[in-house]
Amino acid sequence: NAGVTQTPKFRVLKTGQSMTLLCAQDMNHEYMYWYRQDPGMGLRLIHYSVGEGTTAKGEVPDGYNVSRLKKQNFLLGLESAAPSQTSVYFCASKGQSTGELFFGEGSRLTVL
Amino acid sequence: TQLLEQSPQFLSIQEGENLTVYCNSSSVFSSLQWYRQEPGEGPVLLVTVVTGGEVKKLKRLTFQFGDARKDSSLHITAAQPGDTGLYLCAYRGQNFVFGPGTRLSVLP
Repeated sequence: NAGVTQTPKFRVLKTGQSMTLLCAQDMNHEYMYWYRQDPGMGLRLIHYSVGEGTTAKGEVPDGYNVSRLKKQNFLLGLESAAPSQTSVYFCASKGQSTGELFFGEGSRLTVL
Repeated sequence: TQLLEQSPQFLSIQEGENLTVYCNSSSVFSSLQWYRQEPGEGPVLLVTVVTGGEVKKLKRLTFQFGDARKDSSLHITAAQPGDTGLYLCAYRGQNFVFGPGTRLSVLP
């Protein structure tokens, strides 16, 4: 079972470049989330979605945009990457009636 | 946003030893979750505790929710190298909020 799949798994950008991270889930989950993980800071919520066509800001949304055009996909975009956005990014999903988050394997982004 | 603190931040022990890690807050939670994250992977849910004073066991792992529902602990008996990883506690408010984690290393 694929579960939650993130692409790409690794990416190096130069300051000012743009890119999109793709998250795909095959569990028909309503809720999807994007987190970033930095040493000593745990997982911080960037943006989330409670269903197709909806998005909302999390704890650290600045510099990121998201879209949920299809229920199974949640895209995270960086329009103008900055070194402070160097991090490991995790996508997660959750069913409407369950309390468990299912995570992807992460995408490591380095901004030079 | 309710803040979760975890201690210790790092823990390195020998195989076979016992250990306890903690998750604390000044706020009351309706439930707390524990996740384990292995290197290069995403976190995986271990347990959800809901009732104050609740104790749940998962093989060699024992989870306890404080009576006042402000804290939780995870005790591992006879740790094994396979227990190595980052242990995260989390609560579900409007969204899931995670603590900073305890990074455990079990040496053979």
